[in-house]
Amino acid sequence: QVQLVQSGAEVKEPGASLRVSCKTSGHTFTGDYIHWLRQAPGQGLEWMGWMNPNSGGTNFAQKFQGWVTLTRDTSISTAYMELSRLTSDDTAVYYCASSSCSGGDCPGYMDVWGQGTTVTVSS
Amino acid sequence: DIQMTQSPSTLSASVGDRVTITCRASQSIRSWVAWYQHKPGKAPKLLIYKASILESGVPSTFSGSGSGTEFTLTISSLQPDDFATYFCQLYNTYPYIFGQGTKLEIK
Repeated sequence: QVQLVQSGAEVKEPGASLRVSCKTSGHTFTGDYIHWLRQAPGQGLEWMGWMNPNSGGTNFAQKFQGWVTLTRDTSISTAYMELSRLTSDDTAVYYCASSSCSGGDCPGYMDVWGQGTTVTVSS
Repeated sequence: DIQMTQSPSTLSASVGDRVTITCRASQSIRSWVAWYQHKPGKAPKLLIYKASILESGVPSTFSGSGSGTEFTLTISSLQPDDFATYFCQLYNTYPYIFGQGTKLEIK
């Protein structure tokens, strides 16, 4: 059974950087894409981007290009999302989620999600 | 970017009711739609992908239909565990877009 466990809640000051981790288990870490999404209070989900843990390749929503960094440590099956220059608009619940790939085909829907990491940006 | 409009935003229903939630895309997205269930404090759960394919382990009371620009999620007989927020996702092109969500409440 695939599980994604995210790091705990964070409180950050404006201008700071954030790193959220997503530890996976129950599957081949390098076989599935890892997506990152967020949901601000009262808003819908916003897709930020995905990473191919095998190659390290990434794809971002235009809004997040140059601002979000996605990395991974394959030795511990963990993916990371780093967001810089935080503002109050970045206050949100951040999710990682996986897409099961088969034969090189990785669908765009997310079949397993992490529990979410609440991030509050406030001075 | 393609826009996705989900309705209604809130739905009140009773156990045993049949309910339908709709997502409309601003242009054709063929069948590249997924539906999820989300309960507070929990991880979202995939219900349906490719508009109508039921994810393994999801009860058959859930079904999805549609293609092109209009898509529906139907719960044929509401169970107590079904009261949650539901949202759609289009994934035919980047950026992936989500509907605003429908909160299904107990009447």
